[in-house]
Amino acid sequence: DIQMTQSPSTLSASVGDRVTITCRASQSISSWLAWFQQKPGRAPELLIYDASTLESGVPSRFSGSGSGPDFTLTISSLQPDDFATYYCQQYDSYPVTFGQGTKLEIK
Amino acid sequence: QVLLVESGGGVVQPGTSLRLSCAASGFTFRNYGMHWVRQAPGKGLEWVAVISGDGNNNHYADSVKGRFTISRDNSENTMYLQLNSLRVEDTAMYFCAKDGGWNYYIDVWGKGTTVTVSS
Repeated sequence: DIQMTQSPSTLSASVGDRVTITCRASQSISSWLAWFQQKPGRAPELLIYDASTLESGVPSRFSGSGSGPDFTLTISSLQPDDFATYYCQQYDSYPVTFGQGTKLEIK
Repeated sequence: QVLLVESGGGVVQPGTSLRLSCAASGFTFRNYGMHWVRQAPGKGLEWVAVISGDGNNNHYADSVKGRFTISRDNSENTMYLQLNSLRVEDTAMYFCAKDGGWNYYIDVWGKGTTVTVSS
């Protein structure tokens, strides 16, 4: 199985900050990576797929990059609505696997 | 718009069974793979199973293989997850999710249904 390792596990930041979350796969997954945002008590929502394609309706302050084993999710200027938990997920092969999550907290 | 509505969750004892349903609308159901993903209380996301649009292909997480069965009824636009031999560690919110095609990313999630396994 492909292991997905996210870092950091928790990130404290302020409104307006630029933040980056990283995700590393245990083997190459080409660009078969998605990023999701989840708020407490809610279902996850798709932000980015194919490592760097922004899902329709997602603000342009979100961006994704990387390929092979190393990927990043960047939020260019944090907004109050962005404080949530973020997950990466590989869909290169089954079983599909998720990172352990990064909780983005208000500093 | 695409809508996924899960049902069938509840509180059950270890060793018993449960069947979850996911009613889909707003898209051509038979054309898309469908997933179940679960989340234990306070924990991260764990993928459970996937089924192809025609229902002929499926895959499972090792943690549920042999105990859970995924299926679908394209005439009813509904997907199911049969949960047998339930364990305490199966306690979770179970989300139904739509694939972007087949063997592709998850693009839409339902709100989830809660399964609690407790003696």
